[in-house]
Amino acid sequence: AQSVTQLDSQVPVFEEAPVELRCNYSSSVSVYLFWYVQYPNQGLQLLLKYLSGSTLVKGINGFEAEFNKSQTSFHLRKPSVHISDTAEYFCAVSDRADKLIFGTGTRLQVFP
Amino acid sequence: DGGITQSPKYLFRKEGQNVTLSCEQNLNHDAMYWYRQDPGQGLRLIYYSQIVNDFQKGDIAEGYSVSREKKESFPLTVTSAQKNPTAFYLCASSTSSARQETQYFGPGTRLLVL
Repeated sequence: AQSVTQLDSQVPVFEEAPVELRCNYSSSVSVYLFWYVQYPNQGLQLLLKYLSGSTLVKGINGFEAEFNKSQTSFHLRKPSVHISDTAEYFCAVSDRADKLIFGTGTRLQVFP
Repeated sequence: DGGITQSPKYLFRKEGQNVTLSCEQNLNHDAMYWYRQDPGQGLRLIYYSQIVNDFQKGDIAEGYSVSREKKESFPLTVTSAQKNPTAFYLCASSTSSARQETQYFGPGTRLLVL
């Protein structure tokens, strides 16, 4: 069965610093991987997704993620964060039954 | 504007009461989903529907029921059998239920027990 692990429940960072949010997955089939962002008391919004092709995926708001098959990872990165990036970030994998399996989320807190 | 609407934003339930959460989409999407979000647990799938008049149980369907009589609507009923209903409920839709499709989420309904 597929699963997703987000090792960091919280990541504090200062404004304009780089950030990496980690995501590891387990799957016995080819994977489709997603990163979603959730601002307080709102629904989720897609940041980016990996379906096939280039392992470096660029998304909205300056975020990017790299698919690493050998390490079964899909880490999210941004070279310089803003206060407005403060939110909860969810990694998800699409399983063989066409369902999304979500990680437990990482709360990114950006300080001025 | 196309999108997904959920109502109400906050809902209070009394002991033994059934409550219904509304989810409407005007994106012409075939597939719709209901998730439950609890702190530190991510999102868990309650029910999903791939097409009108059809739906399947997700991972935590006990104590919930749904209907899909219209393409644009997928209401969720939290029954009295759900003993711990306090959570944030999110509705989503996608063009189809294929693995690569992006799911689009509504703003959510927070359910609280009195």
